[in-house]
Amino acid sequence: EAQVTQNPRYLITVTGKKLTVTCSQNMNHEYMSWYRQDPGLGLRQIYYSMNVEVTDKGDVPEGYKVSRKEKRNFPLILESPSPNQTSLYFCASSYGTDYEQYFGPGTRLTVT
Amino acid sequence: SQQGEEDPQALSIQEGENATMNCSYKTSINNLQWYRQNSGRGLVHLILIRSNEREKHSGRLRVTLDTSKKSSSLLITASRAADTASYFCAPRGNTPLVFGKGTRLSVIA
Repeated sequence: EAQVTQNPRYLITVTGKKLTVTCSQNMNHEYMSWYRQDPGLGLRQIYYSMNVEVTDKGDVPEGYKVSRKEKRNFPLILESPSPNQTSLYFCASSYGTDYEQYFGPGTRLTVT
Repeated sequence: SQQGEEDPQALSIQEGENATMNCSYKTSINNLQWYRQNSGRGLVHLILIRSNEREKHSGRLRVTLDTSKKSSSLLITASRAADTASYFCAPRGNTPLVFGKGTRLSVIA
């Protein structure tokens, strides 16, 4: 089954404790992206990747890192999480930016 | 990056009625995509309309695009309670796809 998976689905952590949210797709998509969704602010793009080893900042990249060492994986790294990064995070992938995006189920992160 | 703006922010209708939501954007586009999101879940792609197309249908969905007015509309005909969701447009220009705040549709049975 074609899908985008994210782990963990729910995470509660404390300020400053490094964490990684994994994202994996099985559709051989070149384009992958991370979004955060907050009430009243809609979806905002954090980082995106056009292909392996090619990443670029979205609209809200501060406090986040990404890597794209393999085509299927695009982890999101929070090296020192803060409470303002409490949010619902989505990973998405597609063949390219002119194609439909497939979204993961979301990761609800709470930073205390 | 370019963001679409959906209007209205919220819409409440009776089951069986049609629902229309609009999207405006600012610069030229290659295509415009519409997505649906059920509460707290990932977005699901509904329809993509290219800049040289004016109208597109998919089941009960009809999307129009007016590039001269930089606007698009999504019409859902004969709505059902299961259509209750948030709907987002995403205009695709020379920058990666970004999403607006969406229209929250409530269909009352």
